Amino acid sequence: QSALTQPPSASGSPGQSVTISCTGTSSDVGGYNYVSWYQQHPGKAPKLMIYEVNKRPSGVPDRFSGSKSGNTASLTVSGLQAEDEADYYCGSYADPSSRGSLVVFGGGTKLTVL
Amino acid sequence: EVQLVESGGGLVKPGGSLRLSCAASGFTFSSAWMTWIRLAPGRGLEWVGRSKSRTNGGTTDYGAPVKGRFTISRDDSKNTVYLQMDSLKTEDTALYYCTQGFCSGTTCHWDDAFNIWGQGTMVTVSS
Repeated sequence: QSALTQPPSASGSPGQSVTISCTGTSSDVGGYNYVSWYQQHPGKAPKLMIYEVNKRPSGVPDRFSGSKSGNTASLTVSGLQAEDEADYYCGSYADPSSRGSLVVFGGGTKLTVL
Repeated sequence: EVQLVESGGGLVKPGGSLRLSCAASGFTFSSAWMTWIRLAPGRGLEWVGRSKSRTNGGTTDYGAPVKGRFTISRDDSKNTVYLQMDSLKTEDTALYYCTQGFCSGTTCHWDDAFNIWGQGTMVTVSS
């Protein structure tokens, strides 16, 4: 059971937009603006796509965007492309006294491009 | 080129020990906070623990599932961070990644955004 809750799967057709949710608590997602998102292709290491809720590292396409409302963060992928098909994980800084860890992650969402 | 290379994974029996290594290159290792994260089948990513740089106190923190059993250490002269795993359990079976956050301007994201990852080393705990 992961600390943050993500849907196990999501899908969309090329060109469409897809949003993946990540639900936590007031001791992680809701309490800090330190939510991050990672993309992982099979056999590859995770890649940072979003940090601080909605900031993109250099080189990440602006088709990827992040947001947060209360205890739920979201990753939106616009203009879906075939190469976006991957697993996506959310992460958040957390209060270790209540969450047992400085950082918590979600269980991952498999994004399929139809 | 910034690079992290893990080694030391393998098959170990429950109750056994294993030491993972992570060799770093391409950046000032002594200034970096180094983090271990694992990916278990069907369980998603899990933060294992982190070692601060010596200039920031050199302390370590661990996630609840591994606290008291795992120990992170570092050798700045060898640009290497280690993960000593003792009293291993079947639920420790995972792909273990060495990771690092980053600094942007005057703000450092050591504990909330990991943009450098190794290729991972697999640890299997089974009798």
